[in-house]
Amino acid sequence: EADIYQTPRYLVIGTGKKITLECSQTMGHDKMYWYQQDPGMELHLIHYSYGVNSTEKGDLSSESTVSRIRTEHFPLTLESARPSHTSQYLCASSGGRGNTGELFFGEGSRLTVL
Amino acid sequence: DAKTTQPNSMESNEEEPVHLPCNHSTISGTDYIHWYRQLPSQGPEYVIHGLTSNVNNRMASLAIAEDRKSSTLILHRATLRDAAVYYCILRDMGGKLIFGQGTELSVKP
Repeated sequence: EADIYQTPRYLVIGTGKKITLECSQTMGHDKMYWYQQDPGMELHLIHYSYGVNSTEKGDLSSESTVSRIRTEHFPLTLESARPSHTSQYLCASSGGRGNTGELFFGEGSRLTVL
Repeated sequence: DAKTTQPNSMESNEEEPVHLPCNHSTISGTDYIHWYRQLPSQGPEYVIHGLTSNVNNRMASLAIAEDRKSSTLILHRATLRDAAVYYCILRDMGGKLIFGQGTELSVKP
């Protein structure tokens, strides 16, 4: 069973609020990822990190930001939420070298901005 | 990032084998072929991966063409719980996983 946790699972907030989605893993994985997925649509990589103090933007441009101060923690922040940010956000982590290790996904954070 | 092509949807009958195809004609020599699946209202889960040789695990088998330009995920006996979107992904040395549209598999009782 994967040891990767996301909070909150569901969040409904008003426009202009600052939000942080938390993601933590206890597997000691160096690589962590954030994906965004709208209902019935494909997953888009928005941020990734290969270790502490390393963060990169993914293939889909996002107004969110991330930080990686500790190996186990990879929070995602929206400074001023808008209705266009309504979506599901999925966090994942991976161990191993290069391109062989499997990704473990959290259960997701479903964000609704009114 | 190299691309994959999968059928949008497939149907199967319960307890019958399912062969899910994937084309990846632009695969490079160091790309691994990964398969994930996403059940309704859940995050994706790992199914299997391989480089050149066919692979088997408790969930499925992966058959990789000799030229590596295509692969097939084989579910030996489909169950209703196998209904999901199946993603075929090429993972490069950078380690990113870029998901495509996937194949939506429905399983009929």
